[in-house]
Amino acid sequence: DAGITQSPRHKVTETGTPVTLRCHQTENHRYMYWYRQDPGHGLRLIHYSYGVKDTDKGEVSDGYSVSRSKTEDFLLTLESATSSQTSVYFCAISESGDNQETQYFGPGTRLLVL
Amino acid sequence: RKEVEQDPGPFNVPEGATVAFNCTYSNSASQSFFWYRQDCRKEPKLLMSVYSSGNEDGRFTAQLNRASQYISLLIRDSKLSDSATYLCVVNPRNFNKFYFGSGTKLNVKP
Repeated sequence: DAGITQSPRHKVTETGTPVTLRCHQTENHRYMYWYRQDPGHGLRLIHYSYGVKDTDKGEVSDGYSVSRSKTEDFLLTLESATSSQTSVYFCAISESGDNQETQYFGPGTRLLVL
Repeated sequence: RKEVEQDPGPFNVPEGATVAFNCTYSNSASQSFFWYRQDCRKEPKLLMSVYSSGNEDGRFTAQLNRASQYISLLIRDSKLSDSATYLCVVNPRNFNKFYFGSGTKLNVKP
């Protein structure tokens, strides 16, 4: 258990509304990630963070922004939700060990945009 | 070309069968390799890392073939509880980015 929680776990929203998802970790990991998972696409990286206030884009970053003001929290914001952003969102951390980095995931947030 | 490719399956096998999955990766500089298991509507969970010499954990054996750029997962004596989607993950050294395959679905039937 890597001590990762996500909130909310489920959310239904309407097109055009802003949505913020929160990822919280308790073990002071430097790297944090946001992925989305859709049928046929697997896990796709949205944004990641390599420290407080340090973030970078992933392969599907359009329409998303992130913030990391504290080590333990990584926020994902959909500025104006669209139906194409209906997905399952997973937060992850990476942990160093055995000369490699390994990822661990939070429980996920299911988002439905109507 | 995708960074990591897997056969989506499903692989439908009876209990007790041996089943193997392969996964190919495109970046020859990749250094770390993993298999994750994902149950329906759950998060991916680390099953095992894949080392150059191959490694075994109980009924599960993972192998790496650098020349052909693929990794494999072998499951012996399949159990009903092995039914899940298995994700192949690759991490190029010195980068904290991870590339995921789309997953291979396994159904173990009584």
